[in-house]
This record gives sequence, C-alpha cells and structure tokens, in this order.
Amino acid sequence: NFMLTQPHSVSESPGKTVTISCTRSSGSIASYFVQWYQQRPGSSPATVIYEHNQRPSGVPDRFSGSIDSSSNSASLTISGLETEDEADYYCQSYDGGNWVFGGGTKLTVL
Amino acid sequence: QVQLQESGPGLVKPSETLSLTCTVSGASISTYYWSWIRQPAGKGLEWIGRIYTRGSTTYNPSLRSRTTLSIDTSNNQFSLKLSSLTAADTAVYYCARSPRSSWIDYWGQGTLVTVSS
Repeated sequence: NFMLTQPHSVSESPGKTVTISCTRSSGSIASYFVQWYQQRPGSSPATVIYEHNQRPSGVPDRFSGSIDSSSNSASLTISGLETEDEADYYCQSYDGGNWVFGGGTKLTVL
Repeated sequence: QVQLQESGPGLVKPSETLSLTCTVSGASISTYYWSWIRQPAGKGLEWIGRIYTRGSTTYNPSLRSRTTLSIDTSNNQFSLKLSSLTAADTAVYYCARSPRSSWIDYWGQGTLVTVSS
C-alpha cells in the first residue's frame, strides 16, 4: 500500500497565504483524486477540496487545491488566512478502491 | 438536509465485537457509497471500509479480517461490526457518505468507543 506524508504543523499570520503539502509514496498522484478535509477542534471533518481542485458548495474560494506530478504531491493553499481557518487538515487519496489518509497537518493562525 | 447519526455502545470489552449503526436522514441509502472512519484521541483519521447500496464492500486491508459492513435499506441504515477488539481500537468512529467512491461529502458527528475491561 502507499502512504501520504504531510508536514506535522504549519503556522502563518492572518491575511497571509499558506500551503500544505501531501506527498504520495508510490503510484502517480495524478492518477488518483486527492481530497482535503478540515477538522476544527471537537468537530467532525469537513471537505474543503475534492478531486484535486474542486470546492464543495459553501467552501470559500480562498481554499484551492493542486497537484504536482514532478514531486508526486498535492497541495492545499489557503489565502487571506482567517483565525477560523485554524484546524487540522488531512489529505486523502486511494488505490484500487482502498482509501488512505495523510497524517494530518495542524494549521496555526497567529 | 442530509444527516448521519452513529449509535452503539460507548464501552466494549476486549476480545468482544463492536457493533455500530449509522442512521441516514435526508437522503436515500439506496444510492451513494457509505463509509466508516475512525480516529484515536489526538491522532489522525483511519479509513475502515466502504459499502455500496448493492452490498459490494471494500475494506482497509489492515482491518479486513475483523470487519463486516452491512446495509439495511428498509431502515435507511448501514452498520459496522469489528471483532476481536483490543485497546488499540479505542477511537471516535465516524460514518460518512460519498457521492462517488473517491471522496466524502457528509460526515456523522462521531461516537466514542472505548475498549476496556
């Protein structure tokens, strides 16, 4: 099976832009859709990006997703950071029907 | 409005079998994919498995031998059974809906299951 590796934590100031990476250990990042989930403390996860770069209804366009085949990684970019963006973020992808989650990245907005 | 609600025991003894049910409202369980995901306290998400309305299932290879998913269309529910429990199975268990097999659009609120004697 493959793994998805994320940085343990990132921090940035309000109003700035932050990017969280998610690197796939094997298999092409472009061949299997990547999703991103936001989990605020004490809450269930919520989808912010699906199928690499699609935003569900209600998610602000400050959230964007992309992939980079050269580094076999996906990225979640959040612009115009707000304090409410402080949360854990998980990437997720699949292979042969089996889902894998990244270990999660704690975003601190200070 | 789609809502998912997990139900089941909060405390289960080691070696026993956990049974959880997810009740779906606002959507028919006869379409979509339905999944279980768990999260130990302070740790990340782990996918357990997924079931489709026609009963086809896909399980996490690391949990496959202990996991059974089922679907009850008459009650708009789906269920998880996880056997041979150990303390490592202590976690918040979430049920979730997928409009396609790749991603989740709705999550339940989660239910804490503790494995302890």
